[in-house]
Amino acid sequence: ELKVEQNPLFLSMQEGKNYTIYCNYSTTSDRLYWYRQDPGKSLESLFVLLSNGAVKQEGRLMASLDTKARLSTLHITAAVHDLSATYFCAVTLSGNTPLVFGKGTRLSVIA
Amino acid sequence: DGGITQSPKYLFRKEGQNVTLSCEQNLNHDAMYWYRQDPGQGLRLIYYSQIVNDFQKGDIAEGYSVSREKKESFPLTVTSAQKNPTAFYLCASSIDLGLAGFNEQFFGPGTRLTVL
Repeated sequence: ELKVEQNPLFLSMQEGKNYTIYCNYSTTSDRLYWYRQDPGKSLESLFVLLSNGAVKQEGRLMASLDTKARLSTLHITAAVHDLSATYFCAVTLSGNTPLVFGKGTRLSVIA
Repeated sequence: DGGITQSPKYLFRKEGQNVTLSCEQNLNHDAMYWYRQDPGQGLRLIYYSQIVNDFQKGDIAEGYSVSREKKESFPLTVTSAQKNPTAFYLCASSIDLGLAGFNEQFFGPGTRLTVL
C-alpha cells in the first residue's frame, strides 16, 4: 500500500526566510506532484516531477525528486505573505491510477 | 473554455436524504475521480473511473455511489448510508497517456456538503 507522509504539517515562517517541506513515500514511484490549496478553494497544480533528480522552479518555489530515497522536497526561498497556503504532495504508481496524497503542510508567512 | 465544473458549490442535506453532486469536464479526459476532504486533512479517494461504464472503489467508498454513462460526466451520490458526509468534495480528471506518460490531475472547484 502506497503511503505518503509530509512534514512539517504546520509551518510558520517569517517573511524573507527560507524553508523546506519534505515529502516521503513508501513505494517506488517516479511520478510525484505538488499542489497548492488556498482556504476554501480547490487544488492548483504547482509541479509535476517525473524522474530521479528532477528539479523544477517557479518563482520562490523549487521542487526536487530523489526516487532512490523516495523523497521530494519543496523549497521556499525568501518567503512572502502570498505564499501562505496549504501545500500537498501526491504520488501515483503508474498510468491513470489515482493519486495518494500527503496530509498537507499548512504554511503561514508572517511579517 | 476547457475545464472541470462541479455543482452545486454549496449543498445542504437533511438526515436520511440522498443527494447527488455533479461533475462535468470538457477536457476530453479519460479518467475521473472523486475525493473527499475533511477540515485540516488531505484528500481521500472515494471512487474513480478510467473509462466509460466502468468505475472502481477507492479507500472510502461506503455510503457513496457513482455512474459513468458519458465520458464527460461522473456524478457522485451521497446516500443516507454515509453517516458523516459533511465535507468538501473534489472532482478531478486526467488524460491517459499510457505507461510512458503521466496522469496530471486537474481539479474542479469543489462542492461543500453540510448535513443539517
